Amino acid sequence: GENVEQHPSTLSVQEGDSAVIKCTYSDSASNYFPWYKQELGKRPQLIIDIRSNVGEKKDQRIAVTLNKTAKHFSLHITETQPEDSAVYFCAALNTGFQKLVFGTGTRLLVSP
Amino acid sequence: NAGVTQTPKFQVLKTGQSMTLQCAQDMNHEYMSWYRQDPGMGLRLIHYSVGAGITDQGEVPNGYNVSRSTTEDFPLRLLSAAPSQTSVYFCASSYSPTGGTEAFFGQGTRLTVV
Repeated sequence: GENVEQHPSTLSVQEGDSAVIKCTYSDSASNYFPWYKQELGKRPQLIIDIRSNVGEKKDQRIAVTLNKTAKHFSLHITETQPEDSAVYFCAALNTGFQKLVFGTGTRLLVSP
Repeated sequence: NAGVTQTPKFQVLKTGQSMTLQCAQDMNHEYMSWYRQDPGMGLRLIHYSVGAGITDQGEVPNGYNVSRSTTEDFPLRLLSAAPSQTSVYFCASSYSPTGGTEAFFGQGTRLTVV
């Protein structure tokens, strides 16, 4: 089955810096890659997703890149703000097998 | 719009007790799933369903049962609670029957087994 590895487990940056979180997946047939943000004590919420027919997607300060050959995808946050502090999860889905598998999460801390 | 509603929010069980975690969604989503969240281990899939009457196992199904008699409801049953099942449980739903669209999560159930 699918296995998703996520790094780093914790990331501390200064406000205004960029943050990058990386994930690798094992199933070459996976075709949907969402990213979720979970604030302390809250439920995970989708922030951006990408499908396997696209190499990059941007939404304001966040972007996701996908390298199908290397089977890895990354989340990029620019001009970080304290409210970006949260746990971020990547995930991968093979829509044929219908199991959305998550990485272990990255705790991002943005210091003012 | 309620979205995905889970009950209860907190629960303490004794080892060996059984209970049902409730999950209901009002978005007419076909795909529903249950995850458990443990520190350092992310969200692990327990069971999922692609429509009423259809369920399947995820990564960590042992000790849990599910059923899907209606589109709206997807309860998770713990058959005989064990301390290893202490966790935060999330129910999620999405529009696509294959799961390839945004998953909406419930607010979570924090379960402690003593």
